[in-house]
Amino acid sequence: DTGVSQDPRHKITKRGQNVTFRCDPISEHNRLYWYRQTLGQGPEFLTYFQNEAQLEKSRLLSDRFSAERPKGSFSTLEIQRTEQGDSAMYLCASSFGRTEETQYFGPGTRLLVL
Amino acid sequence: DAKTTQPTSMDCAEGRAANLPCNHSTISGNEYVYWYRQIHSQGPQYIIHGLKNNETNEMASLIITEDRKSSTLILPHATLRDTAVYYCIVRVGGSAGSARQLTFGSGTQLTVLP
Repeated sequence: DTGVSQDPRHKITKRGQNVTFRCDPISEHNRLYWYRQTLGQGPEFLTYFQNEAQLEKSRLLSDRFSAERPKGSFSTLEIQRTEQGDSAMYLCASSFGRTEETQYFGPGTRLLVL
Repeated sequence: DAKTTQPTSMDCAEGRAANLPCNHSTISGNEYVYWYRQIHSQGPQYIIHGLKNNETNEMASLIITEDRKSSTLILPHATLRDTAVYYCIVRVGGSAGSARQLTFGSGTQLTVLP
């Protein structure tokens, strides 16, 4: 399968713990996006990478959240000191930057904070 | 990016065409219309996009009105597997370095009935 992959698919953690999610984009894609989706809502943008550079962050991305994309390949999203409000589906999408940019999404990581 | 308006829900009989409308009356000349769908608990799936002309691919057809203020996604022969939330998104074309995140609304819940 050559699509976007995410790991883990599900994560249950206790409040206050740190969690890290991984996203592997489609190999030739230079752009990578993270979104968050809560129940009943559409996905919301969190942050964006072009190659290894993190170029934009949403106001939703509090200082407990950090994302990296070393060497412009896979990306990680870490949440420190998790809160119950962090429970959501975390989605990764990748694209090849051009005018008609099309983003392709992974299956998501569903986080439940107890 | 222009705001879109979609019906909250629609039903369609299996085997019939599903026509999903979207209004985007404030669309600008350089904004594309994208359609994604999201089957329960999965990541969004790209369907089709267009700028001015009607488009067709193996999944669907996209009909954009001449004034570009509305569009219709057509699934020619709906199956039970097409039951999903369908998102119509309007977004400016990409350019070097600039984030082009997708802004999702609430979408249309399409239910294909047997």
